[in-house]
Amino acid sequence: AQSVTQLGSHVSVSEGALVLLRCNYSSSVPPYLFWYVQYPNQGLQLLLKYTTGATLVKGINGFEAEFKKSETSFHLTKPSAHMSDAAEYFCAVTRNTGGFKTIFGAGTRLFVKA
Amino acid sequence: EPEVTQTPSHQVTQMGQEVILRCVPISNHLYFYWYRQILGQKVEFLVSFYNNEISEKSEIFDDQFSVERPDGSNFTLKIRSTKLEDSAMYFCASSPDVAAEAFFGQGTRLTVV
Repeated sequence: AQSVTQLGSHVSVSEGALVLLRCNYSSSVPPYLFWYVQYPNQGLQLLLKYTTGATLVKGINGFEAEFKKSETSFHLTKPSAHMSDAAEYFCAVTRNTGGFKTIFGAGTRLFVKA
Repeated sequence: EPEVTQTPSHQVTQMGQEVILRCVPISNHLYFYWYRQILGQKVEFLVSFYNNEISEKSEIFDDQFSVERPDGSNFTLKIRSTKLEDSAMYFCASSPDVAAEAFFGQGTRLTVV
């Protein structure tokens, strides 16, 4: 079985501070990992993904994430938060073993203080 | 830029009625999904669809739910007899490959009264 755990349903940072959103997964096979962002009353937009290759992946809006197999983690970071980063962030994992599905973590709401 | 489109954006229906939520995936995509998000909660997987058949479904996707790709372009989710707890935002998504990201539509907000 696969699952995704996002630590912290709410994270608050000051503008200009480091953003760190945590994601751990469990999967019996090598996973494909994604981070999506959801702004209020909107759909889901892909931030970045890891499938194979380089374990540090860069995405849009200055975000990046590192796949650490030994820690089964895929934490999302951004060096300097901006007010426009305030949104809900979802970590997701896909597996393909005969059937396929992408499942999402519970989400982390990011607040950015001026 | 190609996008997934969903109609309607908002639907209100009476409990017990059937609803059909419509989606037009991106044209060269092969994998299709439905998800739902109850207000303030996580995005929940409902079903994945590939090669004209369901690939996987969750425990939420019971006999009241069905999916169809009737004409090679549309991808529909039918709820046969809606319940109050079916009120949620329903997202359609498509992807060209299982390892690629899913592109999401803007969602249909279903309100069952």
